[in-house]
Amino acid sequence: GQNIDQPTEMTATEGAIVQINCTYQTSGFNGLFWYQQHAGEAPTFLSYNVLDGLEEKGRFSSFLSRSKGYSYLLLKELQMKDSASYLCAVMGYGGATNKLIFGTGTLLAVQP
Amino acid sequence: EAQVTQNPRYLITVTGKKLTVTCSQNMNHEYMSWYRQDPGLGLRQIYYSMNVEVTDKGDVPEGYKVSRKEKRNFPLILESPSPNQTSLYFCASSRQRNQPQHFGDGTRLSIL
Repeated sequence: GQNIDQPTEMTATEGAIVQINCTYQTSGFNGLFWYQQHAGEAPTFLSYNVLDGLEEKGRFSSFLSRSKGYSYLLLKELQMKDSASYLCAVMGYGGATNKLIFGTGTLLAVQP
Repeated sequence: EAQVTQNPRYLITVTGKKLTVTCSQNMNHEYMSWYRQDPGLGLRQIYYSMNVEVTDKGDVPEGYKVSRKEKRNFPLILESPSPNQTSLYFCASSRQRNQPQHFGDGTRLSIL
């Protein structure tokens, strides 16, 4: 079956680094996305990985290992505004290569 | 301004009364999609469209219909709404299926 797992909640301190993990099981894979969603707002795109390795974009980095079905989102120099839900999503799941399947999200709370 | 526009933003209605949520994008995107978001379940894809006149079921299509007669519009139709369709709905579009999706602001539906 199809499955995307990510922790439900995480807490971190302002200025610190936090890593949000995502594991997935699929028979087809066409890329993995990370989105940020603040409470009451629409998701916004953070990163996309289709090949193994690290993609860096400012304070945010995302890593993918296709053989392990694993990704993480790394947030550096945390700011209070980074408090939000972080959604992992996989394109092409279970043989349906045009579907986008989301995990249930990780709610990150950044404390002073 | 590049955007995805959904209407209405909020709607309270009764069981069985047909309703349509409109979605329009001005970015000439080929891929469009509808999601519902429920607490603890995350974003779940209802239907998606690869291009004009090409639509396909997502993970939770029961009780919904869509159409894609024009590239910019992708309405979501609830022919006979029921209380279990009370949810927050998002429309999204992307240039192609494996590109970042732009989300509308969401439509909060309450079916009594």
